[in-house]
Amino acid sequence: KQEVTQIPAALSVPEGENLVLNCSFTDSAIYNLQWFRQDPGKGLTSLLLIQSSQREQTSGRLNASLDKSSGRSTLYIAASQPGDSATYLCAVSPSLSNTGKLIFGQGTTLQVKP
Amino acid sequence: SAVISQKPSRDICQRGTSLTIQCQVDSQVTMMFWYRQQPGQSLTLIATANQGSEATYESGFVIDKFPISRPNLTFSTLTVSNMSPEDSSIYLCSVLPGQGYYGYTFGSGTRLTVV
Repeated sequence: KQEVTQIPAALSVPEGENLVLNCSFTDSAIYNLQWFRQDPGKGLTSLLLIQSSQREQTSGRLNASLDKSSGRSTLYIAASQPGDSATYLCAVSPSLSNTGKLIFGQGTTLQVKP
Repeated sequence: SAVISQKPSRDICQRGTSLTIQCQVDSQVTMMFWYRQQPGQSLTLIATANQGSEATYESGFVIDKFPISRPNLTFSTLTVSNMSPEDSSIYLCSVLPGQGYYGYTFGSGTRLTVV
C-alpha cells in the first residue's frame, strides 16, 4: 500500500530565506508526483508536476526534484515571501497507467514572517 | 489545463439533511474525482465519477451516503446525504484533463459545516 509522508509538518521562516520541503513515498512504482499549494479553507493549486521519467521541474522560484528509486521528492522555494505562506501538499499517482487516484501526504504548513 | 467551477463554496447545514455539490469543467474530461478533506487532515478519495455509469467508490464510502451523478463529460454532482457533524469537511472535485500531461486540476472546494 502506497504511503506518502511529508516532513516537516510545519515550518516558520523569516522572509527571504531559501527552504526545502520533503516528501517521501513507500512504493517507487509511480506514474508521476505533483506538488500543490492550499490556502486555508480553499481548494488546491497545482505548482509542479514531475513525470516518473523526470528528475526535476522548475517554475519561477520553485524547484521540485524526484528520486524515484529512493522514494523521495523535495520542493525548494527560493527567496521566500509572506505570500508563500500556505500548506504544501505532495501527491503521487500510484498507477503506472495514470488512471488511479492520487495519494496525498499530510502536508507542510509554511509560515513566512515579514 | 482545465478550469473547474465548484458550487457552493461553503454551506452550513442541519443534521439529517442533504447537500448537493456541483462541479462544472470548461472542457470535456475523461476522469473526474471527488475528494474529502476532514479538518486538519489531508485529502481522501471518495469516488471516481464515471460518465454514463455508476461511480466507483473507495473503501469506506458508499453510494447511499455519497450518491454521485455524471451526466456528461463536463459535469458531476456529489450529494452528502443524511448529514451528521462528522461530515463537516471540505469537499473537492478533481479532473485529469487530456492525457494527464498537466496533472490533476482541483476545484476551489466546498466547505461544509453540519450543525
